Amino acid sequence: NAGVTQTPKFQVLKTGQSMTLQCAQDMNHEYMSWYRQDPGMGLRLIHYSVGAGITDQGEVPNGYNVSRSTTEDFPLRLLSAAPSQTSVYFCASSSDTWNTGELFFGEGSRLTVL
Amino acid sequence: GQQLNQSPQSMFIQEGEDVSMNCTSSSIFNTWLWYKQDPGEGPVLLIALYKAGELTSNGRLTAQFGITRKDSFLNISASIPSDVGIYFCAGSTGSARQLTFGSGTQLTVLP
Repeated sequence: NAGVTQTPKFQVLKTGQSMTLQCAQDMNHEYMSWYRQDPGMGLRLIHYSVGAGITDQGEVPNGYNVSRSTTEDFPLRLLSAAPSQTSVYFCASSSDTWNTGELFFGEGSRLTVL
Repeated sequence: GQQLNQSPQSMFIQEGEDVSMNCTSSSIFNTWLWYKQDPGEGPVLLIALYKAGELTSNGRLTAQFGITRKDSFLNISASIPSDVGIYFCAGSTGSARQLTFGSGTQLTVLP
């Protein structure tokens, strides 16, 4: 059982470049989300989705786009990378929309923007 | 947004010692959760607490949901080397989208 799979694990970008972080889950979870982890700041919610075709903004959405065309996939797009987006990104899923916080996380994608 | 104050930020302990860490908030939460992040991995849920005053154990781990609903603590007894990692508390007012994470406690276990 793969759970939540993120690719790539590591990426280096130059300022202004665009890229997509991929996230896929095989648990048939309706809820999927993206977090960024920065030193001393815990995990902050970027965007989330409660089902295919439905997305919404989290705490720190600026500079990121998401879409949810299938239950399994929830890609995160950086339109024009900035050094402030250097971080570790985690995709997480949950079994239902109103889950109280029991998330399954991927292994993370470490992004460096030069 | 809501803020969680997690302490301590880091701990260095000897193998076999007990560990205690806590989270406090100015806001009330309906759920408290504790996650552990191993180096290079994503966080994994350790314990979930759903009721004020609840005390829950998972092996050597014990966590409590504060009676005021504004705090929670996690205890680890008889620490072992594999306890090394970052421990996060998280509070929720209802759903996963309303989850707030603490800044984490980095635990190092010395042999």
